[in-house]
Amino acid sequence: DTAVSQTPKYLVTQMGNDKSIKCEQNLGHDTMYWYKQDSKKFLKIMFSYNNKELIINETVPNRFSPKSPDKAHLNLHINSLELGDSAVYFCASSHRLAGGTDTQYFGPGTRLTVL
Amino acid sequence: RKEVEQDPGPFNVPEGATVAFNCTYSNSASQSFFWYRQDCRKEPKLLMSVYSSGNEDGRFTAQLNRASQYISLLIRDSKLSDSATYLCVVNPNYGGATNKLIFGTGTLLAVQP
Repeated sequence: DTAVSQTPKYLVTQMGNDKSIKCEQNLGHDTMYWYKQDSKKFLKIMFSYNNKELIINETVPNRFSPKSPDKAHLNLHINSLELGDSAVYFCASSHRLAGGTDTQYFGPGTRLTVL
Repeated sequence: RKEVEQDPGPFNVPEGATVAFNCTYSNSASQSFFWYRQDCRKEPKLLMSVYSSGNEDGRFTAQLNRASQYISLLIRDSKLSDSATYLCVVNPNYGGATNKLIFGTGTLLAVQP
């Protein structure tokens, strides 16, 4: 009965490789997010999709490309991985409200290590 | 200036102590405020929303001071299980309904037996 799930949980790869992280939510939410938490534990939003439409796109290198096949799934593809991409990537989901106040539920995170 | 600033700690307190965390935010137009909790190597989880009039949930009390752009969290009768990082979170509500959250860097609490 996992609410927000991510795969894989751990990802170790070489510089220059291309990798994908998948996220799924079974909460019936219409909005999903990708966050990056770096080594200093700073959590920062990268992207957000609402009903498969990109609504937040922060200043992120274009090597990062999110894809939302449907509103329950949001995947993140990263091309040409760099050392600085090493971080924990969290997926989250919520309802989108006019006041923007609904709770965001986070997945367990994907710990990416680039060697 | 960071959009959301917190004292990183760590706060080392004995069981049963009362501890308070503070947070300031830079965007005076911000509308929604939260405290999230993150355990070591786990995902953040909502602890409580923060309302203008202040609100309480058991041992936890949250306060908001809009004039000073200041948010606080008070934990009474600390338990070992309260040990975690507490994240101050603000929704600046840029342009309305984007539901974008800005996270502080967190305050680490360690409750000692």
